[in-house]
Amino acid sequence: DSGVTQTPKHLITATGQRVTLRCSPRSGDLSVYWYQQSLDQGLQFLIQYYNGEERAKGNILERFSAQQFPDLHSELNLSSLELGDSALYFCASSVGASRGNEQFFGPGTRLTVL
Amino acid sequence: AQSVTQLGSHVSVSEGALVLLRCNYSSSVPPYLFWYVQYPNQGLQLLLKYTSAATLVKGINGFEAEFKKSETSFHLTKPSAHMSDAAEYFCAVRDNNNDMRFGAGTRLTVKP
Repeated sequence: DSGVTQTPKHLITATGQRVTLRCSPRSGDLSVYWYQQSLDQGLQFLIQYYNGEERAKGNILERFSAQQFPDLHSELNLSSLELGDSALYFCASSVGASRGNEQFFGPGTRLTVL
Repeated sequence: AQSVTQLGSHVSVSEGALVLLRCNYSSSVPPYLFWYVQYPNQGLQLLLKYTSAATLVKGINGFEAEFKKSETSFHLTKPSAHMSDAAEYFCAVRDNNNDMRFGAGTRLTVKP
C-alpha cells in the first residue's frame, strides 16, 4: 500500500459525459501528479500540482482539467468524453516538486467510456 | 525533449536466470532516470533511480541498473530471476521540465 488513495476504482460512463476522479496523496506529500495509461498511448504524464499550484504540464487535453485543494487532495475532471479516453488514470504523490523525488502511485481509476 | 526506448516488449527467462531489461534514453540535459514495476491491477512501484550520483544504482528486490552516458543506456538487471519478478517494467526519464516520460514497458515472464 503506497498510501495514495484514488476513488472511484472503476467508472463506466457514456460519450459526451463528464467525470471527476479524486486522489488523496500520502500524508505529508505536497506534490500530486496525474497519469493516463492506455493500450494505445502507454503511460503518459498529464499534469503536476505542488501545494495547490500547477507546476508542470504534460500531454493533457484541453477537455481535461485538474486542481489541488487546500487539504492537498486533487481532482481530475474529464469532460466531453470520447471512446479514446477509456484508460487507467493514476495519481502519484511526492514530498516535494524536484525531479529526483520518489513518486508513490495510487492503485488507479479505470475509466470505461461506452 | 526527452524520450525513452525500451527494447523488447516481452522478455521471458527461466527461474534463476539473469534478467536484463534494456532502456535507452534521449535527453537534452543530464537526465534523472527511473525504473518502475507494475504488478497486475496495481499502480507503479519505484525499483530504483539515477540522479547523477553513482552510476551503478541498487534498488529493491535485488535489482540494479547502470547509467552509461556514452551509450545513453540505463539497463535493469537482476542476477537470478524469481517467479515473483513476473510483472511489467517501465523505464522513465525526467528532465528539467519536470514531466516524466515513460517507455512502452517490458513484460517479464519467469518460467519455472
